[in-house]
Amino acid sequence: KQEVTQIPAALSVPEGENLVLNCSFTDSAIYNLQWFRQDPGKGLTSLLLIQSSQREQTSGRLNASLDKSSGRSTLYIAASQPGDSATYLCAALYNQGGKLIFGQGTELSVKP
Amino acid sequence: GAVVSQHPSRVICKSGTSVKIECRSLDFQATTMFWYRQFPKQSLMLMATSNEGSKATYEQGVEKDKFLINHASLTLSTLTVTSAHPEDSSFYICSARAPGAGGYTFGSGTRLTVV
Repeated sequence: KQEVTQIPAALSVPEGENLVLNCSFTDSAIYNLQWFRQDPGKGLTSLLLIQSSQREQTSGRLNASLDKSSGRSTLYIAASQPGDSATYLCAALYNQGGKLIFGQGTELSVKP
Repeated sequence: GAVVSQHPSRVICKSGTSVKIECRSLDFQATTMFWYRQFPKQSLMLMATSNEGSKATYEQGVEKDKFLINHASLTLSTLTVTSAHPEDSSFYICSARAPGAGGYTFGSGTRLTVV
């Protein structure tokens, strides 16, 4: 069964700290992996997309890595800010045009 | 970039009535759209896959007669919650994938409250 797991479920850090969010998937034959941000009561905003052939993607203070052999992806946030507070979701895609398999999310709180 | 518009953002309805939620791809054509439901503090649960010009594919446990999906054009899919009850109150989100984009784009979600 294809499952995606995110640990921890919640994380609180002081402003300015660098942090890593973890995502693991049971089936390494993924097509791509996508990281999303969700603010309370809002839809999902795509942050980074990593294709199966890629090892990492970067956008500003965000860096996402992908290690298919170990079934893991990480989202690194540098110099965290209170505005980064949100729930972060990772999702694995196994077939082009298929359905996303979501993790449970990590609720991040960055304290001023 | 690819934009998916979802409407309405919030709706309150009386128990027993039906509610329609629209999901539009604004700058691309989407042969497939996805409908999710999200409970508080939980991740997204896929309800159904909407296919343009054909019947939707429902996930196990989702009542197709309860959640009617219509995908009549390449830019519009609708989800109708029929004879809504308080337990149908939830956050509903749609998504689509623009051709060549690789990733999925999500609508802003609809908060449904049935009273």
